[in-house]
Amino acid sequence: QKEVEQDPGPLSVPEGAIVSLNCTYSNSAFQYFMWYRQYSRKGPELLMYTYSSGNKEDGRFTAQVDKSSKYISLFIRDSQPSDSATYLCAMSRETGANNLFFGTGTRLTVIP
Amino acid sequence: EAGVAQSPRYKIIEKRQSVAFWCNPISGHATLYWYQQILGQGPKLLIQFQNNGVVDDSQLPKDRFSAERLKGVDSTLKIQPAKLEDSAVYLCASSIPGTGTYQQYFGPGTRLTVT
Repeated sequence: QKEVEQDPGPLSVPEGAIVSLNCTYSNSAFQYFMWYRQYSRKGPELLMYTYSSGNKEDGRFTAQVDKSSKYISLFIRDSQPSDSATYLCAMSRETGANNLFFGTGTRLTVIP
Repeated sequence: EAGVAQSPRYKIIEKRQSVAFWCNPISGHATLYWYQQILGQGPKLLIQFQNNGVVDDSQLPKDRFSAERLKGVDSTLKIQPAKLEDSAVYLCASSIPGTGTYQQYFGPGTRLTVT
């Protein structure tokens, strides 16, 4: 069993739709949870970061962590064509222990 | 602020040949990482440096992969000899120690094709 599972998609939605991206994990030691966005032929860039359980909102993006279910989500409201990218969840056990465990990524296309 | 620089961007080699990748991290970033991202998968950490010392190389296939970070700045990753399964994008990332794992900054990657 992989430590981090993510549906690879692809996922296609019309512009303006609400997008839900999810990851599950098996290691209860994970404390730090991140979402990275990766455009084609580019390196990943950090989108959202949360510590432990809870929600975090940044503009059109909301990250949720449910440690009891070992489940994290990223919601994108009012999706735009510029949101078309691969979204990778990542997590680590503790700050300073820099080994990030990534999901496989979900490829999202927002259709104008 | 200049980002993480990597070269070359693309490389095609035959199996059993050697190849080297170069990374220049963001100025002042003491921590440097090399990741391997196979098509359709997430990045997998190969090696982590703190200045010029190795922090974690547990997932580096040491029989064929080597990496160094002389003077604690630039780094090179070498594969010798290459296998077909080494075809992937090799990503370099850097961060400032003590700021947490989430602040890793990635370069554009080197796309390696082994034929």
